[in-house]
Amino acid sequence: QVTLMQSGPALVKPTQTLTLTCAFSGFSFTTPGMRLGWIRQPPEKGLEWLARIDWDGDKLYSTSLKTRLTISKDPSKNQVVLTMTNMDPVDTATYYCARMGIESAGTAFDIWGPGTVVTVSS
Amino acid sequence: DIVMTQSPLSLPVTPGEPASISCRSSQSLLHSNRLNYLDWYLQKPGQPPQLLIYLGSNRASGVPDRFSGSGSGTDFSLRISRVEAEDVGVYYCMQALQTPYSFGQGTNLEIK
Repeated sequence: QVTLMQSGPALVKPTQTLTLTCAFSGFSFTTPGMRLGWIRQPPEKGLEWLARIDWDGDKLYSTSLKTRLTISKDPSKNQVVLTMTNMDPVDTATYYCARMGIESAGTAFDIWGPGTVVTVSS
Repeated sequence: DIVMTQSPLSLPVTPGEPASISCRSSQSLLHSNRLNYLDWYLQKPGQPPQLLIYLGSNRASGVPDRFSGSGSGTDFSLRISRVEAEDVGVYYCMQALQTPYSFGQGTNLEIK
């Protein structure tokens, strides 16, 4: 069974760095075509794609946030980590990790984590 | 960046009746491989989004066949042949042709 489990802080202060972890199971991230991404959703708003990392290590970022984002993978731990620097109250959102699997030809987020609610406040 | 526009934003539907949501992209989503890189998701209240349709018209695993996707280029539609109570939530289209991926604003389907 494919699952994504997320962890990270519920509260961060302005200017701090957010670190979110996505632990996956039930599939191998070394399989060609596998991708993992991060998407966020501010309260009562829509979805915003943040970043993606591929099985071969390629990394892609949101145009508007790329200077603040870093995505990385730890194959030995079956984890993907997203860091976002210089957090601001406007970054308050639910952050989701999601898989782009080969079942959808690597073109759609077919498995989603439960989300981590992050509030940015002093 | 590609901009995605959905309509309507609110969709009240009587159970058993059909429903349709439109999604338009600012650039063609038709790849050189002749596939349209357009996905549909449903976010039920209090849950993460779930994949319904990928590559324009392919139902994801476990998705009921009352859901169908169509369209090509810049104009796409999601159709529900007979709406059920469990279909309530917000529907999003997303372009996966190029990064940054982008979502439509969402369509809130509610039961009349």
